[in-house]
Amino acid sequence: AAGVIQSPRHLIKEKRETATLKCYPIPRHDTVYWYQQGPGQDPQFLISFYEKMQSDKGSIPDRFSAQQFSDYHSELNMSSLELGDSALYFCASSYDRAGELFFGEGSRLTVL
Amino acid sequence: SQQGEEDPQALSIQEGENATMNCSYKTSINNLQWYRQNSGRGLVHLILIRSNEREKHSGRLRVTLDTSKKSSSLLITASRAADTASYFCATDAHSNYQLIWGAGTKLIIKP
Repeated sequence: AAGVIQSPRHLIKEKRETATLKCYPIPRHDTVYWYQQGPGQDPQFLISFYEKMQSDKGSIPDRFSAQQFSDYHSELNMSSLELGDSALYFCASSYDRAGELFFGEGSRLTVL
Repeated sequence: SQQGEEDPQALSIQEGENATMNCSYKTSINNLQWYRQNSGRGLVHLILIRSNEREKHSGRLRVTLDTSKKSSSLLITASRAADTASYFCATDAHSNYQLIWGAGTKLIIKP
């Protein structure tokens, strides 16, 4: 069965650079979520999209932006990267906004 | 802020024993979900229990929900080494669809 696809799986950037993470949800899932998870931390909700419109906003820094495209894939854009942005970034999708989330394997961002 | 709180933060047991993890939350919910995360991997959904349900089973997993106490427990019976992972609870508040995550319980199963 198709799963949530995230790319790249690993990314190394310098401080003040920009990074873009991509997420391809499971087909027919109408909601996409972005999470950030620092080492040893619980997942922190960043932002979600329902039917290509921003749905909820969590602790997403102003330096980050995200969008969902007509083919339902989503991109998380991060600018002016800081050391503290080093984390695992997960994308998840769901068929029902109140239901089960299916997570991708994550994109590990390292900021040097 | 995260409304889910889990205890214990870490649990280490012998293979074959039962493991119980607890989750508490603060607001009314539609449902509560449990997820497992192996180190550095994506979270995997285990079970969802709705606010009108009190208990749910899935294989070796048993989840209970007490809405009067705003708490849930996850019981893993006959634990195996492969159960070693972090376990998170997540609730969706009545007012919106945003999931609120607990801090997780790190479970270690000793062979």
